Amino acid sequence: DAGVTQSPTHLIKTRGQQVTLRCSPKSGHDTVSWYQQALGQGPQFIFQYYEEEERQRGNFPDRFSGHQFPNYSSELNVNALLLGDSALYLCASSLDRDYEQYFGPGTRLTVT
Amino acid sequence: LAKTTQPISMDSYEGQEVNITCSHNNIATNDYITWYQQFPSQGPRFIIQGYKTKVTNEVASLFIPADRKSSTLSLPRVSLSDTAVYYCLVGPILTGGGNKLTFGTGTQLKVEL
Repeated sequence: DAGVTQSPTHLIKTRGQQVTLRCSPKSGHDTVSWYQQALGQGPQFIFQYYEEEERQRGNFPDRFSGHQFPNYSSELNVNALLLGDSALYLCASSLDRDYEQYFGPGTRLTVT
Repeated sequence: LAKTTQPISMDSYEGQEVNITCSHNNIATNDYITWYQQFPSQGPRFIIQGYKTKVTNEVASLFIPADRKSSTLSLPRVSLSDTAVYYCLVGPILTGGGNKLTFGTGTQLKVEL
């Protein structure tokens, strides 16, 4: 049974560009959450998707947007990249009503 | 959300028991305490969760005193592979779903031979 998968593993972008990160949830899970983890910090909640809609959002600007597809997979889009967006982006899946979240290995984004 | 305070780092040796304490003075009545483990370049992994007294699973034990203002994660007989960052999280479990996790900076545990 595959766990949470994310692609790509690493990504290098230039300031001002746009990026799309992808996540496939653990089999049977219907909820996907995205987190940003800067070096040396704990993960910070970006937003959560359930039934193809954004259900909760953390303290992130509108440059961060997402989407959930009918098969529960999800994308995270970041526009107008800043140097400060360099981080590990983590996707976590869960069953609705469950607290435990299963994390993927993350996508390491470097903005130069 | 309840703020948590835990040591920045801890060192131990293989075979020792490690206890990591987390302070959460303003924990709410409906808050649970959860611990996650994170290895470098990996996502966090759920270890254990509790509300009061003691919880034990195959990986760790969680001790929560009656006032619930702190909690202690206990790792028995650690090995080199337990070297990781350990996060203490406090928050409600929403029965309607929509749970988000609030991480602090965690405790870097280093286990040596």
